Amino acid sequence: ETGVTQSPTHLIKTRGQQVTLRCSSQSGHNTVSWYQQALGQGPQFIFQYYREEENGRGNFPPRFSGLQFPNYSSELNVNALELDDSALYLCASSSPPGQGTGELFFGEGSRLTVL
Amino acid sequence: AQTVTQSQPEMSVQEAETVTLSCTYDTSESNYYLFWYKQPPSRQMILVIRQEAYKQQNATENRFSVNFQKAAKSFSLKISDSQLGDTAMYFCAFPNFGNEKLTFGTGTRLTIIP
Repeated sequence: ETGVTQSPTHLIKTRGQQVTLRCSSQSGHNTVSWYQQALGQGPQFIFQYYREEENGRGNFPPRFSGLQFPNYSSELNVNALELDDSALYLCASSSPPGQGTGELFFGEGSRLTVL
Repeated sequence: AQTVTQSQPEMSVQEAETVTLSCTYDTSESNYYLFWYKQPPSRQMILVIRQEAYKQQNATENRFSVNFQKAAKSFSLKISDSQLGDTAMYFCAFPNFGNEKLTFGTGTRLTIIP
């Protein structure tokens, strides 16, 4: 069974730039969620993708956007980067909404630093 | 807004001791899950234990157990016979938008001392 994988593991960007983070879900999981974890904080829900469509969004501005592909992998895109976007971005896969136990399976994250 | 509060930013205990991590939450829902997740220094978050709110019995997973007080909206995690590998950040989490869309607390950093 293949776990959740994320890339890149670390990256550095400057203010105003754009970034794309990638995630491959655990085999058998068709639902992917993205979380932002600032230093010393708990993860915050950004959005979830199910069947290639956004299925719920947290309190994040539209410059945070995503995609899900037919193979269930996903991308998180952030435009017009701000210093406060510096964080660990976590991807989590799960069973379809309402059909599982609610357990999330996380990747190791992508550490984004914005200078 | 539904919130999750962890009031202990840091804790440390000796190996083999028992430790309890606290969590309170606020919701108007009647049927939901509650979760404890562990994030070791290597960063990958894993599920420790899950409690279904409609179940009276507290969940147990080996050395990990919960004390779920639904009326008080309290959900504490007890770790018995603590081991060095238990050193990690522990997050209490509650489904805000659905069972797979979680609101996390700010975490408790637990250190097990040899």
